[in-house]
Amino acid sequence: SQKIEQNSEALNIQEGKTATLTCNYTNYSPAYLQWYRQDPGRGPVFLLLIRENEKEKRKERLKVTFDTTLKQSLFHITASQPADSATYLCARMNYGGSQGNLIFGKGTKLSVKP
Amino acid sequence: DTGVSQDPRHKITKRGQNVTFRCDPISEHNRLYWYRQTLGQGPEFLTYFQNEAQLEKSRLLSDRFSAERPKGSFSTLEIQRTEQGDSAMYLCASSLDPQGFNEQYFGPGTRLTVT
Repeated sequence: SQKIEQNSEALNIQEGKTATLTCNYTNYSPAYLQWYRQDPGRGPVFLLLIRENEKEKRKERLKVTFDTTLKQSLFHITASQPADSATYLCARMNYGGSQGNLIFGKGTKLSVKP
Repeated sequence: DTGVSQDPRHKITKRGQNVTFRCDPISEHNRLYWYRQTLGQGPEFLTYFQNEAQLEKSRLLSDRFSAERPKGSFSTLEIQRTEQGDSAMYLCASSLDPQGFNEQYFGPGTRLTVT
């Protein structure tokens, strides 16, 4: 089966440091991975999409990598701020069913302390 | 507001009652998805529509659940004979890309509590 694993349930870091979140997938490589941010009581908000043939993608203070050998994506937030505190979800496309149907990990709850 | 909207935001119902949720996607998006999310878990796929056609249903979607998207615009999700295990956040998302390779835009969700 296709799975997404976000091994860290919670990550606590100090303001100004770089937060690194890990996402591992099983079985065959997905065409892309997506990262979302979710605040309590709200729906997920899309952040970044990285395709299988892309090693790295950046958007402002965010950086995501895709390593098909390790079957892993890393999500970095540089110069972290308390406002970055949220749950971050990794998702892959489901090949077994419809195209576009996403399989999500459980998420990693990031807390940035001032 | 041109984002995805959902109504109601919260619903408390007694076990055995029927409930219906509504989702209004971003207007030009032809794909519409329903997910369910419980505490500490990521969203789980329930079903999706391409325009008005319901193309797939997850095995999570028992026969008590039904979804429609008449005219390919808004969608409704109905749960009949609710059970306590149905308590969850129900999320709707829409996407522009007919191939499903682009990002999805989520609504705020409907929080269902079955007592």
